[in-house]
Amino acid sequence: SAVISQKPSRDICQRGTSLTIQCQVDSQVTMMFWYRQQPGQSLTLIATANQGSEATYESGFVIDKFPISRPNLTFSTLTVSNMSPEDSSIYLCSVRQSMRQPQHFGDGTRLSIL
Amino acid sequence: AQSVTQPDIHITVSEGASLELRCNYSYGATPYLFWYVQSPGQGLQLLLKYFSGDTLVQGIKGFEAEFKRSQSSFNLRKPSVHWSDAAEYFCAVGANTGNQFYFGTGTSLTVIP
Repeated sequence: SAVISQKPSRDICQRGTSLTIQCQVDSQVTMMFWYRQQPGQSLTLIATANQGSEATYESGFVIDKFPISRPNLTFSTLTVSNMSPEDSSIYLCSVRQSMRQPQHFGDGTRLSIL
Repeated sequence: AQSVTQPDIHITVSEGASLELRCNYSYGATPYLFWYVQSPGQGLQLLLKYFSGDTLVQGIKGFEAEFKRSQSSFNLRKPSVHWSDAAEYFCAVGANTGNQFYFGTGTSLTVIP
């Protein structure tokens, strides 16, 4: 399976600032996703990162708050903008090569906002 | 609507005892089914997957799961639990059309000596 590297692994940020999370995959992948996992909770899909076009966001998530880039088939970024304490979560990058393949996850970025 | 239910929020077992984690799903067609494990400070690791064929699937770390269509279930089992199995376990359903994955709320496993 693909090896997925996320940076940073954790960060502590000030309220009102923005943080960009990077996701690098060691092979070209068709589908890339960004999830949020709030403390003690399950995973919530933020958006599907589409190569060369705008990301597809799930209900409750907007581009202004979570802009996503995907310049090629191995790399994507998620920015958490104008952060508030409610954004304190684990953010996970995930990839899936085809419909008959599982999703594989990076180790996540643990974000705390003061 | 598609959904995944893990009825047990938390389970405690003794080391060496057998384990079964429950997962029920709601999906209109034959689903793709997965179990993931998340250790503290880690991402999600795939334990096993079911797409079609034999309804008893073997995974890594000695885990297995059985797909029961009549019960809409995909329960995870292990005959003898090790202390290192303590973690959060997530069941997931993948749509066979579209990109969506649906995750359960997770079961936290504690293993006592």
